[in-house]
Amino acid sequence: SYVLTQPPSVSVAPGQTATITCGGNNIGSKSVHWSQQRPGQAPVLVIFYDSQRPPGTPDRFSASNSGHTAILTIDRVEAGDEADYYCQLWDTGSAQYVFGTGTKVTVL
Amino acid sequence: EVQLLESGGGLARPGGSLRLSCEASGFTFPNHGMSWVRQAPGKGLEWVSGITNSGGSTYYADSVKGRFTISRDNSGSTLFLQMNSLRVEDTAIYYCAKEEYQPGGFDYWGQGTLVTVSS
Repeated sequence: SYVLTQPPSVSVAPGQTATITCGGNNIGSKSVHWSQQRPGQAPVLVIFYDSQRPPGTPDRFSASNSGHTAILTIDRVEAGDEADYYCQLWDTGSAQYVFGTGTKVTVL
Repeated sequence: EVQLLESGGGLARPGGSLRLSCEASGFTFPNHGMSWVRQAPGKGLEWVSGITNSGGSTYYADSVKGRFTISRDNSGSTLFLQMNSLRVEDTAIYYCAKEEYQPGGFDYWGQGTLVTVSS
């Protein structure tokens, strides 16, 4: 089955930039979505179709997808951005949705 | 306002069964695919099962195939997950999620229902 690999953790100072990677075989050929999950809460979609922001997502959040890596970038990080972030996609080959392993973003 | 309200969680014995429900409101339920996603304590998200808007196609993770059955009642705006032959490793919070950006962009999630499988 298709595997999405994320770094377990990313630490960033307030006001700096956080970069979260999501690695998968030829992931650039698939549509990737990103979700944010704050502690004790349900996930919230922050990026869809590789780089689109749904209503409510600040423009500090951006994303790209190419080759074997999708990337979520959070500019001017705030304390409220501290959360777990997951990439996800639909794997046509297995007819299954796949979530990445998740990345915990810590704001120092 | 979109709302997804899960119910049916609780304690089950290994080998037992539970039926989860997700009542949807605030959107046209028959127009959207739906999924169940779970999260074991302290672990990441795991997609469990999905169903197309009409209910004509269903999909399952390998870990639950043959044991869980997803279904929906479009007239009652409700999603279901029948869970049989439960295992200790099925212990998790189960979320239902609405699919807006096909495939796989879940724009709304419920607050989840806890399933505990223990002897």
